[in-house]
Amino acid sequence: AIWMTQSPSSFSASTGDRVTITCRASQGISSYLAWYQQKPGRAPNLLIYAASTLQSGVPSRFSGSGSGTDFTLTISCLQSEDFATYYCQQYYSYPLTFGGGTKVEIK
Amino acid sequence: QLQLQESGPGLVKPLETLSLTCTVSGGSISSSSYYWGWIRQPPGKGLEWIGSIYYSGSTYYNPSLKSRVTISVDTSKSQFSLKLSSVTAADTAVYYCARHYGYFGSGSYPDYWGLGTLVTVSS
Repeated sequence: AIWMTQSPSSFSASTGDRVTITCRASQGISSYLAWYQQKPGRAPNLLIYAASTLQSGVPSRFSGSGSGTDFTLTISCLQSEDFATYYCQQYYSYPLTFGGGTKVEIK
Repeated sequence: QLQLQESGPGLVKPLETLSLTCTVSGGSISSSSYYWGWIRQPPGKGLEWIGSIYYSGSTYYNPSLKSRVTISVDTSKSQFSLKLSSVTAADTAVYYCARHYGYFGSGSYPDYWGLGTLVTVSS
């Protein structure tokens, strides 16, 4: 199985900040990477697929980059509704695997 | 508007079989562009992919659960189901059903999720 490692596991930020979350795969996965946002008590919501393609309806302040083993999710200007936990997921091979999550908290 | 709805018991006894069904509405479960799968999340923890099924019945399972998992599909009812046998407290989790975007034989990512259902394993 391909391991996905996210960093940091949590951090505090303020509205208006530019934030970056990193995801690293244990082996190359080309661009077969998705990012999800999850709020407490809610199902995850797809933000980005194919490493950098924004899902329909997702605000443009979210962006993704990377290929191979190293990926980033960037929120250009953090809004109050963005405080949540973010997960990366590889779909290069089965079993599908998720990163451990990054919780973005209010400073 | 695609909707997925999980249903099944919220409490299962240890060593019994957990059974959940996901009903799909607002879209076709027989589309060639999608798999249909299950993901779980223990309380306060991360996401674990359980497995997925193509409308033809072809399946992928997580090897960590493969010996205990069966996923099936009933296209006539627009439903797919999960059975997890010999459950223990470690199987307590919110179980999500999800549509996975991906063509047959390729990897896939969940793009639409159900609301999730909490299943507790306890005597």
